[in-house]
Amino acid sequence: RKEVEQDPGPFNVPEGATVAFNCTYSNSASQSFFWYRQDCRKEPKLLMSVYSSGNEDGRFTAQLNRASQYISLLIRDSKLSDSATYLCVVYGGGNNRLAFGKGNQVVVIP
Amino acid sequence: EAQVTQNPRYLITVTGKKLTVTCSQNMNHEYMSWYRQDPGLGLRQIYYSMNVEVTDKGDVPEGYKVSRKEKRNFPLILESPSPNQTSLYFCASSKQGSNQPQHFGDGTRLSIL
Repeated sequence: RKEVEQDPGPFNVPEGATVAFNCTYSNSASQSFFWYRQDCRKEPKLLMSVYSSGNEDGRFTAQLNRASQYISLLIRDSKLSDSATYLCVVYGGGNNRLAFGKGNQVVVIP
Repeated sequence: EAQVTQNPRYLITVTGKKLTVTCSQNMNHEYMSWYRQDPGLGLRQIYYSMNVEVTDKGDVPEGYKVSRKEKRNFPLILESPSPNQTSLYFCASSKQGSNQPQHFGDGTRLSIL
């Protein structure tokens, strides 16, 4: 089983709609979780850290489910500018390194 | 402006010709790392450094070297590049460690012919 797994998509989303996707991780000892956004051929940028209690930043909501070992990202009222690849990143489990998922590609359609 | 700067941004070169990709950060971060990104494989860590003179292998270190003589700089060296090292490379830094949000450079696209 891969360390971090994401469904690559693409997720074609009508403008204004809500889209949600999950990321599963294999190491139950993982400690920190992040969502990064990456535009085509650009550098990844931190979107949000994911806390145990869940957190929200504007139209974006992140959740952590430790029992089932997944994190989720929900985007409400999708904008054209939300089109990007969203990378799930997990830290910990004894190796002091980050593990990156391959990303969920989101395409917002007018 | 807080940033991670990589040079060059683009490079086309030939097999066996030594090259160095520089990485510099102005945020006084302890932790720096190098990644490569290939289609279908995602980001994979090459090397990382917890602080000056402390470096360690990531997931795919073969064919690469690094050094951390100063806190702000973390160059990636390809002593004898080969075509399978054609990739998009990112340098990243963070305060203290990889459990912190990473700041990425703009990326370096290397083509080895």
